[in-house]
Amino acid sequence: GAVVSQHPSWVICKSGTSVKIECRSLDFQATTMFWYRQFPKQSLMLMATSNEGSKATYEQGVEKDKFLINHASLTLSTLTVTSAHPEDSSFYICSAPSGISNEKLFFGSGTQLSVL
Amino acid sequence: QQPVQSPQAVILREGEDAVINCSSSKALYSVHWYRQKHGEAPVFLMILLKGGEQKGHEKISASFNEKKQQSSLYLTASQLSYSGTYFCGTGTDNNDMRFGAGTRLTVKP
Repeated sequence: GAVVSQHPSWVICKSGTSVKIECRSLDFQATTMFWYRQFPKQSLMLMATSNEGSKATYEQGVEKDKFLINHASLTLSTLTVTSAHPEDSSFYICSAPSGISNEKLFFGSGTQLSVL
Repeated sequence: QQPVQSPQAVILREGEDAVINCSSSKALYSVHWYRQKHGEAPVFLMILLKGGEQKGHEKISASFNEKKQQSSLYLTASQLSYSGTYFCGTGTDNNDMRFGAGTRLTVKP
């Protein structure tokens, strides 16, 4: 199956700092990637859709200026949490569609963010 | 809008069967099933693209009723390795994926 690599796996940062999370498709090209957020024992909530070469599409209620998304190439999307606060602490996970008709989602291993 | 999953949690003995349901208020183009173990990324199980389609993967199978906008995941003769949280994801014409709240399955020896 397709491989999606996500880094870092976990990060601890001070309140007010920015954190960048990378998501790479290793053996396929992804013009679209999805960013999800997951709180403990809850579902994956779609935050935004990252589009290569154009602006990301954000879900309602997600702050564009706080969660900056850059899809610089066909294999790399980044999510930057700017001026992080404790309430931003969560599990962030990216995914990319692949398959014959892009019908399957392959997930990165996720990033556990803890803001102190 | 997120699909609705039921039940929220299931506890089984090894060898028992379980059914997990997923329904949506919107027209569906596809239903995806994933399993997530604690602290890990979700893993793709299967996708159903057509109304009435059924698929199987070892002892895990699923059905998709397009008219009712529902899908069910069937786990038969459950194994300890089946434990985890199962999510259904539904695709619409926008090609975005929304996940249900998840069903936590625990298989005990």
